[in-house]
Amino acid sequence: ETGVTQTPRHLVMGMTNKKSLKCEQHLGHNAMYWYKQSAKKPLELMFVYSLEERVENNSVPSRFSPECPNSSHLFLHLHTLQPEDSALYLCASSQGVSGRLEETQYFGPGTRLLVL
Amino acid sequence: GESVGLHLPTLSVQEGDNSIINCAYSNSASDYFIWYKQESGKGPQFIIDIRSNMDKRQGQRVTVLLNKTVKHLSLQIAATQPGDSAVYFCAENGGTGNQFYFGTGTSLTVIP
Repeated sequence: ETGVTQTPRHLVMGMTNKKSLKCEQHLGHNAMYWYKQSAKKPLELMFVYSLEERVENNSVPSRFSPECPNSSHLFLHLHTLQPEDSALYLCASSQGVSGRLEETQYFGPGTRLLVL
Repeated sequence: GESVGLHLPTLSVQEGDNSIINCAYSNSASDYFIWYKQESGKGPQFIIDIRSNMDKRQGQRVTVLLNKTVKHLSLQIAATQPGDSAVYFCAENGGTGNQFYFGTGTSLTVIP
């Protein structure tokens, strides 16, 4: 166990549904991340939060909406997704974000999302 | 943009043999690198890291080598075991900013 948990582990949703992914870290870290992992492609960074403030948004479509209510919890709200959004969504955390990444990121097990 | 690539997408080794997984990175400003292992149905798991002021770092059965001249990173696994079967990928920090750049991964299969 890495100290980062994600729920649900699997999710099937229609294109008109609204769902949320949840991530919780028990490591006392200050930074949390959402990544998208598609088959045979590198991890794609979606969002970065440091001390509950968003510091990075890599031009992610607005149908993905993150929320970070505190340093231990991170949500990804999903609305009107497309079939190409089907992927493994990974949450990660690290000690902090100082402008230069020199810290390991610890990943959760991911949520396998299928959009029909 | 950044590109982090692996020379071989798949690797099969006999149990007990040593494994070498390679990674090429493109940003000479990158100064921190991580190797991750991802087993089927799980998230990436940290294996070992190395900073650019080092050429080699050893862990338990794993060694990472960094060649900054040719921007090449390798992961060596000694006495490979069936439990080592997984996808391995490297990450570089790009030198600035706050995101890592990940490779696509090499799938390692250990033959009993």
